[in-house]
Amino acid sequence: DGGITQSPKYLFRKEGQNVTLSCEQNLNHDAMYWYRQDPGQGLRLIYYSQIVNDFQKGDIAEGYSVSREKKESFPLTVTSAQKNPTAFYLCASSSLGAGVAKNIQYFGAGTRLSVL
Amino acid sequence: AQRVTQPEKLLSVFKGAPVELKCNYSYSGSPELFWYVQYSRQRLQLLLRHISRESIKGFTADLNKGETSFHLKKPFAQEEDSAMYYCAPPIGNTDKLIFGTGTRLQVFP
Repeated sequence: DGGITQSPKYLFRKEGQNVTLSCEQNLNHDAMYWYRQDPGQGLRLIYYSQIVNDFQKGDIAEGYSVSREKKESFPLTVTSAQKNPTAFYLCASSSLGAGVAKNIQYFGAGTRLSVL
Repeated sequence: AQRVTQPEKLLSVFKGAPVELKCNYSYSGSPELFWYVQYSRQRLQLLLRHISRESIKGFTADLNKGETSFHLKKPFAQEEDSAMYYCAPPIGNTDKLIFGTGTRLQVFP
């Protein structure tokens, strides 16, 4: 089954705890993205990466960290510094460069994070 | 800063009625605009893009540069069109997208 796989589907965080959300893709895409989805606010970009071992902050990066050690994987860590982590988190990937595939992002099924 | 606005949070229509989901953006140039859709219990997915100029599931979207709008239209709504719709222009000339706040379309039988 090709595409983007996010795990777990549901995650609970205790106060002061760091948690990591997994995102794996087998689409051979160069770019990967993490979004946070809150009711009434649409999708907001947390981090993105265009190449292995490189990533940039999005609009709401505070309290989050990422790594891109492999092309297929882009895990997101929600740190204890993120005071309001309860949200739905979406991972996406896209093919870079020109052509018909440019800018088309493919999304995972999401992880719902709640605070205990 | 580049912005995209979807003024309606909720749009409710009856089956067979015309539908127009509004999207306005702030951008100078010729943006490649997208509409994404999220059906209940499904992933967010691409519905259509401006550059393709095609009709997907009966939906079309025309880019109006004068009004900086990219409204999504369908002449006869179906119940299966009920979903959350997001307008998404790219951020400048990058591969990143900026998503609107979304419009929930409800089509009643």
